[in-house]
Amino acid sequence: EVHLLESGGGLVQPGGSLRLSCAASGFIFSSYGMSWVRQAPGKGLEWVSVISGSGGITYYADSVKGRFTISRDNSKNTLYLQMNSLRAEDTAIYYCAKDSYRTSLLGGGFDYWGQGTPVTVSS
Amino acid sequence: DIQLTQSPSSVSASVGDRVIITCRASQGISSWLAWYQQKPGKAPKLLIYAASTLQSGVPSRFSGRGSGTDFTLTITSLQPEDFATYYCQQANSFPLAFGGGTKVEIK
Repeated sequence: EVHLLESGGGLVQPGGSLRLSCAASGFIFSSYGMSWVRQAPGKGLEWVSVISGSGGITYYADSVKGRFTISRDNSKNTLYLQMNSLRAEDTAIYYCAKDSYRTSLLGGGFDYWGQGTPVTVSS
Repeated sequence: DIQLTQSPSSVSASVGDRVIITCRASQGISSWLAWYQQKPGKAPKLLIYAASTLQSGVPSRFSGRGSGTDFTLTITSLQPEDFATYYCQQANSFPLAFGGGTKVEIK
């Protein structure tokens, strides 16, 4: 059974940093792209970043480019999101999500999601 | 960047009704569109991918159609557990994007 478990969220001051983790199990982690998707309070879903199975390809939303870094450790079956220079508008629930397609970062949807970890940026 | 516009933003319906949600892309995305269902306090759940392919385990009352820029999600015979918010998502190119969501409420 596929399981994704996020951690690392919390309260941080504007300008601060936070690193989120997503522990994966139940599938061949290194074979699938993984994304971070966030949802601000009472708002819709916003895609944040994706990383390929090998870790060699990454993409970011314009809203986080240059501030956030996605990475993965396939030996630990863990996905990360390093968030720097945090702003109030980064406040959201952060979900990690697994690509449904094994052979491409595009085309399919996200077939498994974690339960989310909350990030609050406030002084 | 590709933008997705969903309509309506909310709809009131009764159990047994048919509900149709529309998603329009700002440029052609072939059939690379997914639909999700999200209930309060829960993570989204994949319903349909590649515009019309039903995800394993999803009831057949859910169906998707469309290609290019215009897509629909249809729920035939709405059930109590279907009251939720629905999102479309384009998987054609980066940056990926979601629609604004459609809340299906009980009439």
